[in-house]
Amino acid sequence: DGGITQSPKYLFRKEGQNVTLSCEQNLNHDAMYWYRQDPGQGLRLIYYSQIVNDFQKGDIAEGYSVSREKKESFPLTVTSAQKNPTAFYLCASSIEGRGDTQYFGPGTRLTVL
Amino acid sequence: DAKTTQPTSMDCAEGRAANLPCNHSTISGNEYVYWYRQIHSQGPQYIIHGLKNNETNEMASLIITEDRKSSTLILPHATLRDTAVYYCIVRVDGGFKTIFGAGTRLFVKA
Repeated sequence: DGGITQSPKYLFRKEGQNVTLSCEQNLNHDAMYWYRQDPGQGLRLIYYSQIVNDFQKGDIAEGYSVSREKKESFPLTVTSAQKNPTAFYLCASSIEGRGDTQYFGPGTRLTVL
Repeated sequence: DAKTTQPTSMDCAEGRAANLPCNHSTISGNEYVYWYRQIHSQGPQYIIHGLKNNETNEMASLIITEDRKSSTLILPHATLRDTAVYYCIVRVDGGFKTIFGAGTRLFVKA
């Protein structure tokens, strides 16, 4: 089945530790995105990538880093510089990224203790 | 991208049509209206999108007013599984960012 996978579904980390969230897609989409969602709020864009080896900051990139070495994969690292990392993180992909439909993964809920 | 305004929450009886409004009075000519929904603790799911004409698919219908300043998403026969947060988004053709606001929380009741 084609789709987007994120792992793990729940993740716990101690304060001050970096953590990497996985996002993989087998839809052959060029564009991939990372969003953050806080309780009762909408989604905020962290980073996006239109093509392999290229990515752009979204609205709340501080404290996060990404890489796009393969078309299928777009991992997100939450660094210790992120002041409030506890949130629900969502990965998405789209065919081209230019105004087209986004397909979302199931999300990873990160809790920093 | 234009801003959208949606009611915070709505109720609907199971089996009845759910009509979810969205105001986008500052929409530009090249901006599409998209609808997504998010069931609790899951990733958002695409529902439908349109530019000027009304659209229908297997999930819903989208009615866009002639002046394009507002739209309505219609779920023709709501079921309990349609309980979710519904996001109305306007997006520039060729634009990259998609802004998800707080959406409308729809409760479908038996």
